[in-house]
Amino acid sequence: AQSVTQLGSHVSVSEGALVLLRCNYSSSVPPYLFWYVQYPNQGLQLLLKYTSAATLVKGINGFEAEFKKSETSFHLTKPSAHMSDAAEYFCAVSGSYSSASKIIFGSGTRLSIRP
Amino acid sequence: EAQVTQNPRYLITVTGKKLTVTCSQNMNHEYMSWYRQDPGLGLRQIYYSMNVEVTDKGDVPEGYKVSRKEKRNFPLILESPSPNQTSLYFCASSFGTGDGYTFGSGTRLTVV
Repeated sequence: AQSVTQLGSHVSVSEGALVLLRCNYSSSVPPYLFWYVQYPNQGLQLLLKYTSAATLVKGINGFEAEFKKSETSFHLTKPSAHMSDAAEYFCAVSGSYSSASKIIFGSGTRLSIRP
Repeated sequence: EAQVTQNPRYLITVTGKKLTVTCSQNMNHEYMSWYRQDPGLGLRQIYYSMNVEVTDKGDVPEGYKVSRKEKRNFPLILESPSPNQTSLYFCASSFGTGDGYTFGSGTRLTVV
C-alpha cells in the first residue's frame, strides 16, 4: 500500500527566498511520485513527476524535486520564490504504471509569498 | 486542446434531489477517476474506471455512483445528496497512473 505525508500545511517565504516543500512517501514497491499545483478556483496541474529515471526531476516554473530512496522523500524546491508561486501544492504517489493502480494524494501545503 | 471537461462548475441543490456531474475527456485515456477535495483532507478518491464498463470503488464511495459506457465519459451520480457531500469535486484521466493525471477544473457542490 502507498501513502504520502506532507510536512507543514502552510509555508510562508519571502519573495526571492528558497522554497522547500516537504513530502515523504511509503510504498511497498518502487514508486511513481508527483507534485501538483492548484491555483485558486482551478484544477490541479502537474508540476513534475518521478518515474525511476533521474533522481533529480525538473518541472515547470523553475521547480525541481529530488527522489531520495534512503529517506523515502521527494521534496519540492525552487531557488527563488516569485509572487505567482502562491498556491496549494500536493504530493502524490502511485505504486505502478498500470491503469489498475491508484494515485494517493497528500493533504496539501499552502505556499504564501511575502513581498 | 487536450482537456478534461466537467459540468457544471457550480451547483447548489437540496437534500435528496438526484444530480449528475458530467465529465468528458478528449485524450483517449483509459483511466478515469473522481476525487473530492475537502479542507485539511486533501483529495480523496471516490471511484475510478480502468476502461469502458470497468469501475471500482475508491476510498470514499458511499453515496455516489458512476458509469463508464463510453471511453470519453465518466459521470458522477448522487442519487440522494446529503449536506456531508458538500465539497469540491474533480474528475481526472490518464493513460496509466504512472503518467499522472490530467484534471478537470472542478465542480463546487453545495447541498442544503
